[in-house]
Amino acid sequence: RKEVEQDPGPFNVPEGATVAFNCTYSNSASQSFFWYRQDCRKEPKLLMSVYSSGNEDGRFTAQLNRASQYISLLIRDSKLSDSATYLCVVILNTGGFKTIFGAGTRLFVKA
Amino acid sequence: NAGVTQTPKFRVLKTGQSMTLLCAQDMNHEYMYWYRQDPGMGLRLIHYSVGEGTTAKGEVPDGYNVSRLKKQNFLLGLESAAPSQTSVYFCASRAAGQGARRTEAFFGQGTRLTVV
Repeated sequence: RKEVEQDPGPFNVPEGATVAFNCTYSNSASQSFFWYRQDCRKEPKLLMSVYSSGNEDGRFTAQLNRASQYISLLIRDSKLSDSATYLCVVILNTGGFKTIFGAGTRLFVKA
Repeated sequence: NAGVTQTPKFRVLKTGQSMTLLCAQDMNHEYMYWYRQDPGMGLRLIHYSVGEGTTAKGEVPDGYNVSRLKKQNFLLGLESAAPSQTSVYFCASRAAGQGARRTEAFFGQGTRLTVV
């Protein structure tokens, strides 16, 4: 079983739609959680951290459920520029803070 | 500020050849990582390092070796390249210390390697 699992999509949504992605993790030693964004043929870049109480950054909302071991990302009022792959990232406290990436969820926002 | 720089950006190897990928960061980060990214597989951790002179295995270490002789550099070696190692390789670095759990990982632009 992969340590971090995501629905690969793709999600095809119209502009202005709300879309949600989920990610599950298997290791209870997981300490920190993030969402990264990766554009086609580019390197991943940090979108936002995920805090236990949930957090929001503009149109983006991240949630963490430690009991069920999943993370979510909600995007409201989707823009064409949101089209990308969204990667769920977990940092394990294994003595070296190993950083594990999910396979990513592809999002296409269409006009 | 260059951030994380990977060299080379592209390479074609013949089966059995060897090569070294170089990752250099100028942010004084303690942690460095090598990933490979294949279609449908996402980023898979090959090896990582928590400081100068240390290395550890990730998810898919077979066929690769690494060295971290200097804090700013993390080298990934392929001793005998195989077609299965055709991939895009990304290097990343993160700061350590207080709040290490929450520090952002910065990535290089990737190395596209083809083994024929």
